[in-house]
Amino acid sequence: SAVISQKPSRDICQRGTSLTIQCQVDSQVTMMFWYRQQPGQSLTLIATANQGSEATYESGFVIDKFPISRPNLTFSTLTVSNMSPEDSSIYLCSVGFATSGRWETQYFGPGTRLLVL
Amino acid sequence: DQQVKQNSPSLSVQEGRISILNCDYTNSMFDYFLWYKKYPAEGPTFLISISSIKDKNEDGRFTVFLNKSAKHLSLHIVPSQPGDSAVYFCAASAGGTSYGKLTFGQGTILTVHP
Repeated sequence: SAVISQKPSRDICQRGTSLTIQCQVDSQVTMMFWYRQQPGQSLTLIATANQGSEATYESGFVIDKFPISRPNLTFSTLTVSNMSPEDSSIYLCSVGFATSGRWETQYFGPGTRLLVL
Repeated sequence: DQQVKQNSPSLSVQEGRISILNCDYTNSMFDYFLWYKKYPAEGPTFLISISSIKDKNEDGRFTVFLNKSAKHLSLHIVPSQPGDSAVYFCAASAGGTSYGKLTFGQGTILTVHP
């Protein structure tokens, strides 16, 4: 496993502004992911953060709205751009470790709780 | 399209008894399944996983059962403890081009009463 930290832990933002969330891991990892959990909903994958190349976005999520950086194997950022109240969610980063050759065992950070007014 | 479903929003169990949490899936390409526990204000914590080549995996008080023909998995917690009270999510992965992508269920709130 790994120790994963996120900053900020929570924030209240005005609509139309942007917020950048940081994810730091205490060891080098290959796979990093960003998820969103809207109020009362399950976790939804936003994108896979690829080191040295552009992130891979899931259906319904676009780079202009959720730009992601991954400058090295221990750090990633997710920006929520031009925010609206519908962006109020918990945003979580996760890292993937191989288990019997598979990457699916993911470990999550504590999350960033975002409220957009 | 909810590919992973947890039909019970909540479950209440007495301390010491068995807790059984259920999960159904529709995508026959899923071949790896995981259970996570989530406390308020924390990220999900990995509990246990199972590959589709198995039908059972055990880790201490936690056992996951997989019934591929029914596209159903369950998590058994024996004996249940008050500290187990949390939201439990099942998740699934398809491998291949979906490598590393987890699809989560809606979660089940487990309450274990002393």
